[in-house]
Amino acid sequence: GQSLEQPSEVTAVEGAIVQINCTYQTSGFYGLSWYQQHDGGAPTFLSYNALDGLEETGRFSSFLSRSDSYGYLLLQELQMKDSASYFCALQTNAGKSTFGDGTTLTVKP
Amino acid sequence: DSGVTQTPKHLITATGQRVTLRCSPRSGDLSVYWYQQSLDQGLQFLIQYYNGEERAKGNILERFSAQQFPDLHSELNLSSLELGDSALYFCASSVTFSGANVLTFGAGSRLTVL
Repeated sequence: GQSLEQPSEVTAVEGAIVQINCTYQTSGFYGLSWYQQHDGGAPTFLSYNALDGLEETGRFSSFLSRSDSYGYLLLQELQMKDSASYFCALQTNAGKSTFGDGTTLTVKP
Repeated sequence: DSGVTQTPKHLITATGQRVTLRCSPRSGDLSVYWYQQSLDQGLQFLIQYYNGEERAKGNILERFSAQQFPDLHSELNLSSLELGDSALYFCASSVTFSGANVLTFGAGSRLTVL
């Protein structure tokens, strides 16, 4: 099976940079995705890494290292609206996406 | 609006009852996924269908069943409901089931079992 670990909570101030780490265990996968979920809302796709390295999408960047079974989501120029839960998800060869338990990000003024 | 439609949005029922949750995928998407999210928990994968066929199964209880119909909409049936089944049930859809597979989620169906 697959398992992912993320910190449960992260706090940062507006305008700062924050990194949310994700370590995983799996026997094979297509890539690592990141989703954002505001309280009670639908998760929305943020970023995807199929290959090692950094993917940049505006203020959000995501990184993957397959050799280290590790990835992270980097959020820059934090805004209050970035307060949400962030999930990493392994997309496996069988097609399903297994999600981590999520990291609650609180952005303070 | 993500394009994935889930009904009902809210449902309150009693233990022992049976409910059906419905999902219409985004236009053009052939794959449908069901996830369960209990209070302050992660997204637990239940089951996935692609073009009417079951593709992957997660930790879905025997009391739960699902299917995808020829028009690609899907239904999740929950029976003999227990208090612990209270959760937010999300449906997601994607174009395919492999490769760079972005999931588009619906707004969810919040089930409360009393």
